Amino acid sequence: AQTVTQSQPEMSVQEAETVTLSCTYDTSESDYYLFWYKQPPSRQMILVIRQEAYKQQNATENRFSVNFQKAAKSFSLKISDSQLGDAAMYFCAYRRVKGSSNTGKLIFGQGTTLQVKP
Amino acid sequence: EAGVVQSPRYKIIEKKQPVAFWCNPISGHNTLYWYRQNLGQGPELLIRYENEEAVDDSQLPKDRFSAERLKGVDSTLKIQPAELGDSAVYLCASSFFTSANNEKLFFGSGTQLSVL
Repeated sequence: AQTVTQSQPEMSVQEAETVTLSCTYDTSESDYYLFWYKQPPSRQMILVIRQEAYKQQNATENRFSVNFQKAAKSFSLKISDSQLGDAAMYFCAYRRVKGSSNTGKLIFGQGTTLQVKP
Repeated sequence: EAGVVQSPRYKIIEKKQPVAFWCNPISGHNTLYWYRQNLGQGPELLIRYENEEAVDDSQLPKDRFSAERLKGVDSTLKIQPAELGDSAVYLCASSFFTSANNEKLFFGSGTQLSVL
């Protein structure tokens, strides 16, 4: 069974600085998807960034980028130029490729609460 | 577009009482998910629908939980009777595929259940 682990329950960063959130996962599959979701107090999960395991290039979305280390099964999120609006809970998630059983099921980590200090 | 709509936003009940949650997915989305999120944890899948068919309900506690998705649109999740450990946020999500493996997933704001 696949598992996702986030070992940092809380992180803080100064506004305009850079912060990295860690995530490790375990799977025996070679192809899959990894995600970072943001959950503000409104509770609605918002997709931050998505990585396809077969792509070696790290995904980037504006101020958000990932460091995907497939052999190490590591998937960290870097937030550059942190803004007050980035404060939220961040979840790392894993999903199997369509065509496999249980397709579509997201497996989430425990989450990291990010505080942004002005 | 309204997005995934869930109601109620909050629900407080006493243990052993029944409770129901409602989800209206985005129009045209064939796939619908119910997740449960315990306090300080990541969401866990309860059930997944493809149209009106439940294709993955392996983690749904069937002794007290039930779900339905009539006509493949709205969905209702029910708990009867509720237990203290059912206190959690219940999230609904819907999705569509832009290509074979590119799923666009959208979450609602969830229902926060407190069982006293």
